[in-house]
Amino acid sequence: DVKVTQSSRYLVKRTGEKVFLECVQDMDHENMFWYRQDPGLGLRLIYFSYDVKMKEKGDIPEGYSVSREKKERFSLILESASTNQTSMYLCASSSRREGPADTQYFGPGTRLTVL
Amino acid sequence: GQNIDQPTEMTATEGAIVQINCTYQTSGFNGLFWYQQHAGEAPTFLSYNVLDGLEEKGRFSSFLSRSKGYSYLLLKELQMKDSASYLCAVREIPGSSNTGKLIFGQGTTLQVKP
Repeated sequence: DVKVTQSSRYLVKRTGEKVFLECVQDMDHENMFWYRQDPGLGLRLIYFSYDVKMKEKGDIPEGYSVSREKKERFSLILESASTNQTSMYLCASSSRREGPADTQYFGPGTRLTVL
Repeated sequence: GQNIDQPTEMTATEGAIVQINCTYQTSGFNGLFWYQQHAGEAPTFLSYNVLDGLEEKGRFSSFLSRSKGYSYLLLKELQMKDSASYLCAVREIPGSSNTGKLIFGQGTTLQVKP
């Protein structure tokens, strides 16, 4: 079974703080993704990575950065958290070698609240 | 532009059949996915269609018509545990990376009643 884990289920931070969200997958997947999920807006892609040290912007990258130093780990960084970044953050991973057609498998999510 | 439409909410009765529709307009198409998401949990993969037609997997089936930009998820013999959100997602054709991005609809919340 594919296993994607995220460092925290719930996180509360203050405006202006630097926030790190960590995601780890144990299936040697080459692709990893960060989404945020908000009511009425669905899942929106923030950034993704298709190899170590490689990254591409998604649809809403503003206010975020990412880091992928090792294949199994993909970090999302909020340089200076703001209240409009309060959301559910979901990490996913995929591989062309796993599942039908490069299916993305999701972690349990981190619910971040910025006060 | 990119647009994926699903109904926001649906209600059905235990034991019945329900069809959740998804229409899409995207700049490129490389497959359509359906995910199930229970409240407070991660989305889990249900089905994938890339060619026209019906894919059946147990109680769940998914249909695709690429010419119409249309898909549906069919759930048979509904059970209470099927109460969840169902997410339709279209994958774009890969650019410089080896994988295309997924564009998600807002999701359809299905409530199954006794």
